[in-house]
Amino acid sequence: GIQVEQSPPDLILQEGANSTLRCNFSDSVNNLQWFHQNPWGQLINLFYIPSGTKQNGRLSATTVATERYSLLYISSSQTTDSGVYFCAPGGDSSASKIIFGSGTRLSIRP
Amino acid sequence: DGGITQSPKYLFRKEGQNVTLSCEQNLNHDAMYWYRQDPGQGLRLIYYSQIVNDFQKGDIAEGYSVSREKKESFPLTVTSAQKNPTAFYLCASSMGSLNEQFFGPGTRLTVL
Repeated sequence: GIQVEQSPPDLILQEGANSTLRCNFSDSVNNLQWFHQNPWGQLINLFYIPSGTKQNGRLSATTVATERYSLLYISSSQTTDSGVYFCAPGGDSSASKIIFGSGTRLSIRP
Repeated sequence: DGGITQSPKYLFRKEGQNVTLSCEQNLNHDAMYWYRQDPGQGLRLIYYSQIVNDFQKGDIAEGYSVSREKKESFPLTVTSAQKNPTAFYLCASSMGSLNEQFFGPGTRLTVL
């Protein structure tokens, strides 16, 4: 199955800073999602992005499927951006499955 | 409101007891999924179902069972055979197997 590696594992920033989170995966994909898990455990959908670039407010994401990586950009960080960010690619021979990385824990200081 | 509901939010059980976690969706999604999350880790797939009356094992199915008798419902039973059942359990659904997955709020199970 697909192996997923997210970096960095932990990131501490001041409010207002920008950040880039990376997701590398080991096989071709036709499905990739980015999630934010808030302190209460709820997984919030950020992007469904098997390829290309998307933007939503201060967040944007780019997936380069041919090079097997995806990037999540967060600009002008706010304290509410704190939490864990997960990348979950899928679409190998077991087409129904997405595989979660171990996440990037982001802490935004006021 | 359309969405995915899970109940209960917190669940405490004694060791050796079976327990059933509820997951209901009113999004008219065909596919439903159960994941387990341990502290500081990502989610791991337990079972998934692409259609009513059919389901497949995920990566960590041992000690768990499911049923899919209705499109809206996908209950998960944690059996006494599960060696380390204390965890956060999340249910998800999607329109189809390659579509975007949406998650419920989760159930925190503690086995004493």
